[in-house]
Amino acid sequence: DAKTTQPPSMDCAEGRAANLPCNHSTISGNEYVYWYRQIHSQGPQYIIHGLKNNETNEMASLIITEDRKSSTLILPHATLRDTAVYYCIVRAHLNNAGNMLTFGGGTRLMVKP
Amino acid sequence: GAVVSQHPSRVICKSGTSVKIECRSLDFQATTMFWYRQFPKKSLMLMATSNEGSKATYEQGVEKDKFLINHASLTLSTLTVTSAHPEDSSFYICSAGQGTRDYGYTFGSGTRLTVV
Repeated sequence: DAKTTQPPSMDCAEGRAANLPCNHSTISGNEYVYWYRQIHSQGPQYIIHGLKNNETNEMASLIITEDRKSSTLILPHATLRDTAVYYCIVRAHLNNAGNMLTFGGGTRLMVKP
Repeated sequence: GAVVSQHPSRVICKSGTSVKIECRSLDFQATTMFWYRQFPKKSLMLMATSNEGSKATYEQGVEKDKFLINHASLTLSTLTVTSAHPEDSSFYICSAGQGTRDYGYTFGSGTRLTVV
């Protein structure tokens, strides 16, 4: 699986958009970008994933650059409950249940009042 | 949506004893489950892949005789930490995959193990 690089930490003001970057310059054509987050002392939670088109769901938006070498997770209106570690993971499509997820260091997002 | 239940959420045990952690998929069948370990302020590290009806596959450096994994049914995998020592104190997390789901895996809420 391609390696990802994320800033170790970021701050965001409550109510503002949080933009979390991820570099994945070695991504291959069949690899998707997945985002998970882990709130303190809980298991990771799926947020969103995409291949090359931008994606949006009720939690967040995912913007993938045209060359697919980087992406940005956007939380449009961050709340205090969004404080967590956010993991960007690149891997082939998870339609094979036998493939695990490999976690990097992630970005520790602190949403401040 | 897919739900994975992990139990217990916290456990304290004495050094030398064994502890069993359960991971259940509540509304889907999981042919594969994964067990992770996470030390404070560190990322999740995969320990082993649990396959229903067969032996688990362990990552390099993980002692299979110490971390016993059983995946006897499509909805239950267990991790037993045998002869626990203080250095086994960690946050253990399971996740389950479903072959037809395309948005990733569902994780349990984790088990905080403290060995005293």
